[in-house]
Amino acid sequence: GAGVSQSPRYKVTKRGQDVTLRCDPISSHATLYWYQQALGQGPEFLTYFNYEAQPDKSGLPSDRFSAERPEGSISTLTIQRTEQRDSAMYRCASSRQGAETQYFGPGTRLLVL
Amino acid sequence: AQSVTQLGSHVSVSEGALVLLRCNYSSSVPPYLFWYVQYPNQGLQLLLKYTSAATLVKGINGFEAEFKKSETSFHLTKPSAHMSDAAEYFCAVSSFSGGYNKLIFGAGTRLAVHP
Repeated sequence: GAGVSQSPRYKVTKRGQDVTLRCDPISSHATLYWYQQALGQGPEFLTYFNYEAQPDKSGLPSDRFSAERPEGSISTLTIQRTEQRDSAMYRCASSRQGAETQYFGPGTRLLVL
Repeated sequence: AQSVTQLGSHVSVSEGALVLLRCNYSSSVPPYLFWYVQYPNQGLQLLLKYTSAATLVKGINGFEAEFKKSETSFHLTKPSAHMSDAAEYFCAVSSFSGGYNKLIFGAGTRLAVHP
């Protein structure tokens, strides 16, 4: 596609529910990143993919967080048993393989009540 | 480990005045440095980047930044602010090791431009 897209743009859920966020990267981009941005803070790295491989998931806050990219294109980030502290903006970015520039999507704002 | 400190969470300037947004970094390896801008309801957009070439980097919309290793700084400047520059600005550092670019962001600086 022309740019990185994310859906939904806004998600309100109740504590304990599972949520799945979606990222559709630029079609030619092999590398995909997920970041979490708390209110008043900068984005923090969660994980990344190179095609369908996930070499680094060191930033995932707990085992309730998981991400996948089964066909090396669209990626999903799933948060199980959501907690209020999971409320944040979740940002996805993509880049060409080996490139330093990342292109960001508009983000998904998650609110856990 | 790498880190970024952005001095001033809010900066306010008059239209036509100099814009200076401060960024200091910490890195044990030669860094890559970036400035991103976020407009309301939009994703982060790259303004400029330093990747060990020229120390004075020019970006989009008239912004530039200078890499100063001795001061571990990468401040963002623009000679004359425009109302459309009002946005949130993020400085980021990375080492681009292992073939991927894990960005470490500062907390951001919100720029207000008033007439």
